[in-house]
Amino acid sequence: GQQLNQSPQSMFIQEGEDVSMNCTSSSIFNTWLWYKQDPGEGPVLLIALYKAGELTSNGRLTAQFGTTRKDSFLNISASIPSDVGIYFCAGQLYKAAGNKLTFGGGTRVLVKP
Amino acid sequence: NAGVTQTPKFRVLKTGQSMTLLCAQDMNHEYMYWYRQDPGMGLRLIHYSVGEGTTAKGEVPDGYNVSRLKKQNFLLGLESAAPSQTSVYFCASSSRGEKLFFGSGTQLSVL
Repeated sequence: GQQLNQSPQSMFIQEGEDVSMNCTSSSIFNTWLWYKQDPGEGPVLLIALYKAGELTSNGRLTAQFGTTRKDSFLNISASIPSDVGIYFCAGQLYKAAGNKLTFGGGTRVLVKP
Repeated sequence: NAGVTQTPKFRVLKTGQSMTLLCAQDMNHEYMYWYRQDPGMGLRLIHYSVGEGTTAKGEVPDGYNVSRLKKQNFLLGLESAAPSQTSVYFCASSSRGEKLFFGSGTQLSVL
């Protein structure tokens, strides 16, 4: 079954705000990834992390590979309307069969009315 | 510039009917995957393939079959559809495994 827990499950953003989300696991992963899904589309890879403690940025997005290797964090700075979507974390075990990924349940980002 | 193409985009089935979803990729990727997406449950792996002629079970394989007769195509079959198979289905491909390229999905309703 699903092994990755993402929180929050949903959040409202206001333009200009910084937002954070995280992903925790009961298992150690060797690679952590963050994907974003726009409405009506498939997920797209945002950031990949390969070492414990690693901090990687992609524009306004910054992600960290937790030191315990059981968690990861994603921050979005100065949010804009196009940040709306579902953000998925995913973990990959070393030499996983088929290089399979395990996905979290997603964090749905919505705009404050 | 097609990437991963899924057909059809939408489908409605009656319980017990069968159907096949087609996934085609033009990136010469070895690995291909079928996922289903349900609210709050993320993406769950149904079946995957590590190369032409190979298939393997994922996390939720029951009720589905797959075939990879050609490297660029990965077919997902439902032999006898059930309401529990109502979902959005995504195909993905990869050359290494962590960077997945997804199709735009198939929304399936089973009545």
